Amino acid sequence: DSGVTQTPKHLITATGQRVTLRCSPRSGDLSVYWYQQSLDQGLQFLIQYYNGEERAKGNILERFSAQQFPDLHSELNLSSLELGDSALYFCASSVAAGGPYNEQFFGPGTRLTVL
Amino acid sequence: LAKTTQPISMDSYEGQEVNITCSHNNIATNDYITWYQQFPSQGPRFIIQGYKTKVTNEVASLFIPADRKSSTLSLPRVSLSDTAVYYCLVGDLFHNNDMRFGAGTRLTVKP
Repeated sequence: DSGVTQTPKHLITATGQRVTLRCSPRSGDLSVYWYQQSLDQGLQFLIQYYNGEERAKGNILERFSAQQFPDLHSELNLSSLELGDSALYFCASSVAAGGPYNEQFFGPGTRLTVL
Repeated sequence: LAKTTQPISMDSYEGQEVNITCSHNNIATNDYITWYQQFPSQGPRFIIQGYKTKVTNEVASLFIPADRKSSTLSLPRVSLSDTAVYYCLVGDLFHNNDMRFGAGTRLTVKP
């Protein structure tokens, strides 16, 4: 158990819908990262927040957005869902904003299925 | 970000030492090398990280030659539970947290 929690574990929805994925980082961690893992694209970095502020942006679509709240939990919002958005979405957390030896701890993931 | 190349898959037997080599010819001065392990339907787990020479922790060793154009993850005496995908990542962790996971190496440990 990494200490990172994600809800829900599974989510099934239809195309065009909007969903929200939630992540609670490990106690004491200020950074939260979101990743998408699909069969054809592998594990892709989406976005990072550090202490409430966006820190780094990866291959995140405009239909997707995220935020980190004052209690440091984070939410990833996915809208206008398409079949290709079906994937495992992982959240990770770390103590610092960056630098070496800033180990990222991954949560168990949310499996999103878009029908 | 430096491009990495790893073998797609490897097989081993319980009790053997496994060495997985990652090639990163265009590694930059500020880049660090990090290895992660991932089991099916679970998030990746940090294994080891290094900059140069040799790093060892309780689960693995990382060997980095002087030119840093490759690195080798060494898993001593593997067990069936080490069957997983292993990812090599190279990046400037001070300035860029965009971790690029490639296809990884699928290690299968047989009894």
